[in-house]
Amino acid sequence: AQSVTQPDIHITVSEGASLELRCNYSYGATPYLFWYVQSPGQGLQLLLKYFSGDTLVQGIKGFEAEFKRSQSSFNLRKPSVHWSDAAEYFCVLTGGGNKLTFGTGTQLKVEL
Amino acid sequence: DTGVSQDPRHKITKRGQNVTFRCDPISEHNRLYWYRQTLGQGPEFLTYFQNEAQLEKSRLLSDRFSAERPKGSFSTLEIQRTEQGDSAMYLCASSLKDRSYNEQFFGPGTRLTVL
Repeated sequence: AQSVTQPDIHITVSEGASLELRCNYSYGATPYLFWYVQSPGQGLQLLLKYFSGDTLVQGIKGFEAEFKRSQSSFNLRKPSVHWSDAAEYFCVLTGGGNKLTFGTGTQLKVEL
Repeated sequence: DTGVSQDPRHKITKRGQNVTFRCDPISEHNRLYWYRQTLGQGPEFLTYFQNEAQLEKSRLLSDRFSAERPKGSFSTLEIQRTEQGDSAMYLCASSLKDRSYNEQFFGPGTRLTVL
């Protein structure tokens, strides 16, 4: 069975500070991994994806994530957070099939 | 805008009533997915279609739930005899199968409240 764990339910950071959202996964092979963002009243938007190759992937809005096979992790980072980044972030896994498995999400609050 | 659209955006119903939601995927996408998201949780897979064929259903999809995609374009999700536990956001996504993995594009969702 595949699963995704996001250990932080809520995170608060100050605008301009750096951000790291944690994600651990469980899967028997190399998964496809994603980070999605969900803002109130808006659909889920893909931030970035990892399929293979370079373990550091760049996404939209200045986000990046690093795949670490030895730690079964795929943490999301941003060097300087903007107030508009406040949203819920989901780490997502698929084994290459059609079903996406989502983590429970991390709610990001940005203090001005 | 040619993104995924869902209708209605909000639905309030009484327990025991039937409800139907519609999803219009991105026009050239041949795969369509339904997910359910309850408060404080990530979306959970319900079912998916490739063209008009329903290829996979989750165990979450009880007998009261039925999904169709009759012409391989839009899809409907019907819930019969709604229960309070059905209250959730129902999300639709679509993708184009042309490689080993295809990005799923999500609609804004239909929020169902069962009183």
